[in-house]
Formats: sequence, structure tokens, C-alpha cells
Amino acid sequence: AQSVSQHNHHVILSEAASLELGCNYSYGGTVNLFWYVQYPGQHLQLLLKYFSGDPLVKGIKGFEAEFIKSKFSFNLRKPSVQWSDTAEYFCAVNAGNMLTFGGGTRLMVKP
Amino acid sequence: DTAVSQTPKYLVTQMGNDKSIKCEQNLGHDTMYWYKQDSKKFLKIMFSYNNKELIINETVPNRFSPKSPDKAHLNLHINSLELGDSAVYFCANSQGQGGIQYFGAGTRLSVL
Repeated sequence: AQSVSQHNHHVILSEAASLELGCNYSYGGTVNLFWYVQYPGQHLQLLLKYFSGDPLVKGIKGFEAEFIKSKFSFNLRKPSVQWSDTAEYFCAVNAGNMLTFGGGTRLMVKP
Repeated sequence: DTAVSQTPKYLVTQMGNDKSIKCEQNLGHDTMYWYKQDSKKFLKIMFSYNNKELIINETVPNRFSPKSPDKAHLNLHINSLELGDSAVYFCANSQGQGGIQYFGAGTRLSVL
């Protein structure tokens, strides 16, 4: 069965700091990869996705992620975070038609 | 119009009761899902329906029974509610089983 690991459970940053959230998955075949964000009290929204092609994908709100197949990783990055980025971030992997989520990373950005 | 609507948004009930959560999507997608998010924010798939047929049933107690009357609706009925059922339940949908999933706003269920 596939699994998704997010190594950082809680991250606290000051505004303008750079962000990198780790995501690793275990599945040997073709995968579709996603990052979702959940703002406090809200539903999940798609930040970005990777299906194929350029392994560096850009999403909304200045986020990007890089798929490194050899490392089974899909890390999320943002060069300069804002207070409004405070949220829970979920990495997800779709393989075999089932979406599996990582445990989530709670990001708090201090103003 | 909201693409994915869940009702109710909040549900507070006693142990042992039976309750239903409804989900409707107007995106015309053929696959719908139910997820459970526990108090630690861990998200786990419960069910997946494709064109009204059950595709995934992830070791969910049979007290939980999804019903899909048509492609646009996937309701979740829960019998004999237990304290451990307290969670936020999210409905989602996608076109095809590997596509982007669009989530509803969630239903926060509290069992007392």
C-alpha cells in the first residue's frame, strides 16, 4: 500500500522567511502528486499538482514544488511567506486511483 | 453557486443516534468521495464512488453506509453513532479517479 510522509508536523516562521515542506511517498509506479492547503476552519483547496512533464511546478499564491523521482519526493517551497499563509498543508499522492494524504504540516507565520 | 455543498455544516448528536450527511456537486464529475479528518487533522479516505458504483471502501465499520442516488449526490448515513465518530467529514469529487479532487466545506460531527 502506498504511504505519504510529511516530516515537519509544525513549522513556525516569521514573515518574509523562506519555506520548504518535505513530502516523501512510497510507491514504485506512476503517480499524480498534489499539495492542498487548509486555512483555519475551511475546506481543502488545491495549491498545485504534478501529473507529468516539467518536474518543477508552480501553483497559486507563489508556491512551487519539485518532483524528484529518484528520491520519491515532492517538496513544497515558497521564497517569502506571509502571515496569510498560516494554514495546514497536505501532500497527497494518487496511485492506483486512490488519493493518500500525508499527515499534514501546520504552518504558523508570525507577523 | 458552490461547486460542492455539504449539509449540515455542524452536527451535534447523542451516542446511539442515526444521522445523515448530504453531499451534492454541480461540476458534472463522475467520481465522489468521503473522507474523515480526525482531531489531529489526519485525513483518511472512507469511500469512493464512480458513476454511482462503490469503488473504494477503506475498512470503514458497516455502521457507515454511503448512498449515491445519482452522479451528483453521495450521502453518508451513520447508524448507532459512537464517540469515536466525532470528526470532520469531507465530501470530494473528481473527473476520473486520478484527477484533481474538489472538496466540500466539511461537516463537523460531534457525538456526545
